[in-house]
Amino acid sequence: QKEVEQNSGPLSVPEGAIASLNCTYSDRGSQSFFWYRQYSGKSPELIMSIYSNGDKEDGRFTAQLNKASQYVSLLIRDSQPSDSATYLCAVTSTGNQFYFGTGTSLTVIP
Amino acid sequence: ETGVTQTPRHLVMGMTNKKSLKCEQHLGHNAMYWYKQSAKKPLELMFVYNFKEQTENNSVPSRFSPECPNSSHLFLHLHTLQPEDSALYLCASSQVHNEQFFGPGTRLTVL
Repeated sequence: QKEVEQNSGPLSVPEGAIASLNCTYSDRGSQSFFWYRQYSGKSPELIMSIYSNGDKEDGRFTAQLNKASQYVSLLIRDSQPSDSATYLCAVTSTGNQFYFGTGTSLTVIP
Repeated sequence: ETGVTQTPRHLVMGMTNKKSLKCEQHLGHNAMYWYKQSAKKPLELMFVYNFKEQTENNSVPSRFSPECPNSSHLFLHLHTLQPEDSALYLCASSQVHNEQFFGPGTRLTVL
């Protein structure tokens, strides 16, 4: 079982819609969770971090964490074509190891 | 300069060449990482340095040799590479066990 799992997609949403990206992790004791955005040919860019259960909002982005279900998600409201990228979920495990998921490819259709 | 920088940004080399990739972080972090990312593939962690000590080597072939002279600099020495080693090589830094910040990467092509 992989430490962090994501649906590779591709996920396609129309412009202006809500994009929902999901991630599950295997280590129940994990404490820190991150979302990165990676444009094609570029390096990953940190966009959100979340540490406690519930929602965390930053502009059009909302991260949601449910530790009981070992599930973290990223919602992108009012999706724009410029949001088209691969989104990587990352988790710090109880062993303080940092694990990336394989990423979900998002395409926002104008 | 700020953040994490990498040089060169692009590198083309033959299989018999020796070259080095350089990474420098200006964030005061104490951990540095090398990743490989082949076309349309996930990130592959290669090496981890915490406080200049190598703590992880994910079964990387010996033709890749890392060096971390201090907490701000990280090198990846390359020799006798294969065409399948062509990829984007990413450096990242962090405070140990915290979120990682990436450099722009070096696009390597092995002929």
